[in-house]
Amino acid sequence: AQSVAQPEDQVNVAEGNPLTVKCTYSVSGNPYLFWYVQYPNRGLQFLLKYITGDNLVKGSYGFEAEFNKSQTSFHLKKPSALVSDSALYFCAVRGGMNTGFQKLVFGTGTRLLVSP
Amino acid sequence: GAGVSQSPRYKVAKRGQDVALRCDPISGHVSLFWYQQALGQGPEFLTYFQNEAQLDKSGLPSDRFFAERPEGSVSTLKIQRTQQEDSAVYLCASSFHRDRVADTQYFGPGTRLTVL
Repeated sequence: AQSVAQPEDQVNVAEGNPLTVKCTYSVSGNPYLFWYVQYPNRGLQFLLKYITGDNLVKGSYGFEAEFNKSQTSFHLKKPSALVSDSALYFCAVRGGMNTGFQKLVFGTGTRLLVSP
Repeated sequence: GAGVSQSPRYKVAKRGQDVALRCDPISGHVSLFWYQQALGQGPEFLTYFQNEAQLDKSGLPSDRFFAERPEGSVSTLKIQRTQQEDSAVYLCASSFHRDRVADTQYFGPGTRLTVL
């Protein structure tokens, strides 16, 4: 079965510093990976996805993610954090072809706190 | 353009009451998903529609949960005889294509259900 692990409940970073939010995955077959952000009382906003091709994926609001097949990781990064980036971040993997591949399987989320 | 909308945004029900949650997907989107997000957790898949056909309902936690999309557009998630453990945020998502693993799911703001 597909699964995603986000090992950090919270990441703290100072404004202007680079940030990394970690995600590792387990999937049978090709991985299709997604990052979403959730602000308070809001739904999930799509940031970026990896389907195939270049291991470095660029997304919205200056975020990017690096796909590493050997480490089964898909870490979210940003070169310079903003206070407004403070939110809850979710990594997700698409279900495998044999187990309802349309659905997304989410991690438990990582809260990012950017201090001024 | 308009995103996914959900109503009501907040719902308080007494234990044993029936509730109905509505989702209006992005116009033209073929696929529609329901997820349940418990407090402090990532979203968990409930069910999936392709047009009016419910193709996957493996995530529905009990036979008290029922979803429909009769005309392939608006969807309703109904919960009968609500229990306290049903308290959660219910998220709806839609995507344009069917059977495309590269497809992005766009989420609505969610309905926060509290069962007293």
